[in-house]
Amino acid sequence: DAGVIQSPRHEVTEMGQEVTLRCKPISGHNSLFWYRQTMMRGLELLIYFNNNVPIDDSGMPEDRFSAKMPNASFSTLKIQPSEPRDSAVYFCASIKVDRAEAFFGQGTRLTVV
Amino acid sequence: AQTVTQSQPEMSVQEAETVTLSCTYDTSENNYYLFWYKQPPSRQMILVIRQEAYKQQNATENRFSVNFQKAAKSFSLKISDSQLGDTAMYFCAFDNNNDMRFGAGTRLTVKP
Repeated sequence: DAGVIQSPRHEVTEMGQEVTLRCKPISGHNSLFWYRQTMMRGLELLIYFNNNVPIDDSGMPEDRFSAKMPNASFSTLKIQPSEPRDSAVYFCASIKVDRAEAFFGQGTRLTVV
Repeated sequence: AQTVTQSQPEMSVQEAETVTLSCTYDTSENNYYLFWYKQPPSRQMILVIRQEAYKQQNATENRFSVNFQKAAKSFSLKISDSQLGDTAMYFCAFDNNNDMRFGAGTRLTVKP
């Protein structure tokens, strides 16, 4: 398996623009997580899905953030409109039902100017 | 929601020495999993070690071992014979079979 695949690896956008981050989890994994990593706040859980269903989105900072998982092999995190304070590395991770290990993507480094 | 606390933002250790990274967590649940992840400069998150809460025996993986104190809700990581390649951010994580939450991380530097 190719592992968790995130795209793009890097994204630079202007304030006010819409940004869409993409994630393909490992096949057979039933849970998917979106995290945001910053120097100040570490790794924050934004939202997670179990069997494609959003379970807890209390970590989503504002209504500008939204996430979807239309099927077991794809998820998106959208920011609209983007702001400079959204600049961070965004990670997607997936895990099997046995919870043996969460596998992370390489992350998307987002810069909003 | 569960919280995970890593009280040491930065630590350093001499090569070949031993270092212990601290982690505490807060939960009312009895069954859960605990992890330590390593994040080198490449940004990739790498699993170091895993502990199941129902197991009393501390997990070990080569030079890495944990001290799991369930009653105290403590889960420290000990790295023996530190190597230069151990330099990285280390994150403690708590998994209650639903969400997985991480501490703020400890930046470890191994000095030659």
